[in-house]
Amino acid sequence: AQSVAQPEDQVNVAEGNPLTVKCTYSVSGNPYLFWYVQYPNRGLQFLLKYITGDNLVKGSYGFEAEFNKSQTSFHLKKPSALVSDSALYFCAVRDFPSNFGNEKLTFGTGTRLTIIP
Amino acid sequence: EAQVTQNPRYLITVTGKKLTVTCSQNMNHEYMSWYRQDPGLGLRQIYYSMNVEVTDKGDVPEGYKVSRKEKRNFPLILESPSPNQTSLYFCASSPSVGYQETQYFGPGTRLLVL
Repeated sequence: AQSVAQPEDQVNVAEGNPLTVKCTYSVSGNPYLFWYVQYPNRGLQFLLKYITGDNLVKGSYGFEAEFNKSQTSFHLKKPSALVSDSALYFCAVRDFPSNFGNEKLTFGTGTRLTIIP
Repeated sequence: EAQVTQNPRYLITVTGKKLTVTCSQNMNHEYMSWYRQDPGLGLRQIYYSMNVEVTDKGDVPEGYKVSRKEKRNFPLILESPSPNQTSLYFCASSPSVGYQETQYFGPGTRLLVL
């Protein structure tokens, strides 16, 4: 069974500083990894994904994530945080090929990111 | 505009009163899914549909029903809601039953069952 762990419920970062939101995963096959962001009273918005290829993936709003197979991690990063980055962030994984037919994403519990002005 | 829509966005109801949450997508997506979001649990899949007339259970299907009579619509039905179904619900869709597609989410429906 696939699973995702986000070890930090809350991350606080000063505006302008680099930020990291951590995610580790467990799958039986090759992982397909995603990051989503949820702003207050809004649905989930796709940020970026890793399917294959370059371990550093670039996404929306200046975010990037680094896939590390040996550490089974997919941490979300941004070089310089903005106050507008404050939101709830979810890491998600799909397992291939055991989940053939069901596109189910397994989500982490979410990390609330607060950028302090 | 490509989007997934849900209605209603907010709903307060009482135990046992049947309700339906609608979900519609205008992107001709084959795959649709329902999730519920609860604090400390992330999002968990309730039901999914690979195409018209093809539905199956997700991780937490108890107390829910779905149907997929048209490609664009995927309503979630609570025949007899209970307080433990108080949650935030999201509908999602993706283009096809493949492995690399991004799922797009609706704005969410916040349900309170008294």
